[in-house]
Amino acid sequence: GAVVSQHPSWVICKSGTSVKIECRSLDFQATTMFWYRQFPKQSLMLMATSNEGSKATYEQGVEKDKFLINHASLTLSTLTVTSAHPEDSSFYICSARVERSRKGYNEQFFGPGTRLTVL
Amino acid sequence: KNQVEQSPQSLIILEGKNCTLQCNYTVSPFSNLRWYKQDTGRGPVSLTIMTFSENTKSNGRYTATLDADTKQSSLHITASQLSDSASYICVLWGWGKLQFGAGTQVVVTP
Repeated sequence: GAVVSQHPSWVICKSGTSVKIECRSLDFQATTMFWYRQFPKQSLMLMATSNEGSKATYEQGVEKDKFLINHASLTLSTLTVTSAHPEDSSFYICSARVERSRKGYNEQFFGPGTRLTVL
Repeated sequence: KNQVEQSPQSLIILEGKNCTLQCNYTVSPFSNLRWYKQDTGRGPVSLTIMTFSENTKSNGRYTATLDADTKQSSLHITASQLSDSASYICVLWGWGKLQFGAGTQVVVTP
């Protein structure tokens, strides 16, 4: 299957600082990428949908000014957590969609995740 | 209320044994149902994808079934291995997005 990478895999930062997480589709182009957050023992929760060259669409309850998403190219999307606080500590996972692959349906591949810890 | 319910919440099985995980859903309509395996601290990896017209799909020791009439799916793991210890997530593609279940945590013991 297609490969999606994330960087960094983990990050520890002080409260009030900003953290940028990169998501790359390594061997395919993704017009649509997704950002999820996952708390311990819970399922993935969609934060926003990112389309290349346009503004991201945020889910209800997700602050767009706090979680800045940039999808500048077909292979790169970034999530910036601005002025991070301890409650932002979580596991952030990106995903990239392949529109109607050869198999005839949308496929979505997930990155390995980024563990953010805010002190 | 979550539209994708999984059971059991967690499961412990002996290495070499079989197990079956359940997924009940209310998402309608949907175009496909997926089972993902998520190792601790990693992103989900796709095991099977079934369209609404398919009844079963296998991937090695993993076999997924789908009953669209009862809105149920199951994932059967055959001859479990220690590496099967993970969370297994039932996911439906519907209404333009993935709808996730909470997952079943499987622990395989020697």
